[in-house]
Amino acid sequence: QVQLQESGPGLVKPSQTLSLTCTVSGGSISSGSYYWSWIRQPAGKGLEWIGRIYTSGSTNYNPSLKSRVTISIDTSKNQFSLKLSSVTAADTAVYYCARKGDVWGQGTTVTVSS
Amino acid sequence: EIVLTQSPGTLSLSPGERATLSCRASQSVSSSYLGWYQQKPGQAPRLLIYAASSRATGIPDRFSGSGSGTDFTLTISRLEPEDFAVYYCQQYGTSPLTFGGGTKVEIK
Repeated sequence: QVQLQESGPGLVKPSQTLSLTCTVSGGSISSGSYYWSWIRQPAGKGLEWIGRIYTSGSTNYNPSLKSRVTISIDTSKNQFSLKLSSVTAADTAVYYCARKGDVWGQGTTVTVSS
Repeated sequence: EIVLTQSPGTLSLSPGERATLSCRASQSVSSSYLGWYQQKPGQAPRLLIYAASSRATGIPDRFSGSGSGTDFTLTISRLEPEDFAVYYCQQYGTSPLTFGGGTKVEIK
């Protein structure tokens, strides 16, 4: 079955760019009519949708983050990625990648601190 | 942006009881593209219901979803010990996708 795994630095300095990658295993990222999302969750709080990308490369972003977010896809590596620029402490959260809504990664904690 | 309001914030029930969770949208959810998730501490959310009323793969039939337009409900017919968790609704019919604030189902 399809599995997702997030990877990337657990600590990012303020004003820098947060970069995460989600690796898809057990299936092709290009198969099926899916979209691939990033979602985050600050400690003790609810879920916030960051954005999504289709295999075609088409993207949608949360307007509250749109000026700082880029999601890209690399079908040759079966991966998709998140870049969030100019981070502050408010971007500290567990970051999840997901296939539509039915398959999620385990999440990775990113802390923004100097 | 479609705002989803979940109620109640916390539901205190005993095992075996029925749980009814509400999710109200600020505008009609396109094609009933409404999902429900369960999240336990330290775990990723798990999809329970999609398209308002369809159970995801492997989800027990004590979980059911209903509703359309702006009002949706998740019902757990008889609470099992493993059902005590936080539940979120999400609309995925209109970008940006949005989540409700969650309902915590706790043991009374």
